[in-house]
Amino acid sequence: GQNIDQPTEMTATEGAIVQINCTYQTSGFNGLFWYQQHAGEAPTFLSYNVLDGLEEKGRFSSFLSRSKGYSYLLLKELQMKDSASYLCAVSGGYNKLIFGAGTRLAVHP
Amino acid sequence: ETGVTQSPTHLIKTRGQQVTLRCSSQSGHNTVSWYQQALGQGPQFIFQYYREEENGRGNFPPRFSGLQFPNYSSELNVNALELDDSALYLCASRMGGSRTGELFFGEGSRLTVL
Repeated sequence: GQNIDQPTEMTATEGAIVQINCTYQTSGFNGLFWYQQHAGEAPTFLSYNVLDGLEEKGRFSSFLSRSKGYSYLLLKELQMKDSASYLCAVSGGYNKLIFGAGTRLAVHP
Repeated sequence: ETGVTQSPTHLIKTRGQQVTLRCSSQSGHNTVSWYQQALGQGPQFIFQYYREEENGRGNFPPRFSGLQFPNYSSELNVNALELDDSALYLCASRMGGSRTGELFFGEGSRLTVL
């Protein structure tokens, strides 16, 4: 079967660092994506990993271990505007993205 | 702003009715996919169109159908609406040949079925 797991909710303090984990089991793998979705808005692309290792992009970094079926999104120097849902998604076969349920992150002052 | 526009933004239908949702893709993007996002859930893949042909479908019944037009805009049609069809319907576009997941999403059409 196809399964993507991530925590439902997380809270963090402004200026801190937070790590959102994602584990996956899918029948195909063409890469792992992280999307950000603010309430009532469209998801926006954050990062892409297809090889093992860390990809850094400003305050956001994403890590992938294909052998463990594991990824994380690391957010540094948290800002209030980072309060949003973070969606882990795997690109499987047949041109589709398989999304997790999302992690709702609340950043407090 | 992703350049992907959807209409209508909100609509209410009753069980058994039919609905058509529309999407204009970002300029130059020839691949459009549709996703259903229930409240508190991640988006679920419905289907994808590339150059007016369906070339991928998720686990949705045949009453979910679509079209893509020569200008690459797209429609999602849902017949015989059920209460569980209440959700946010997202359209996403990309250029064929680009990475599958690097999608540009529209703001969505929120459908409520009563």
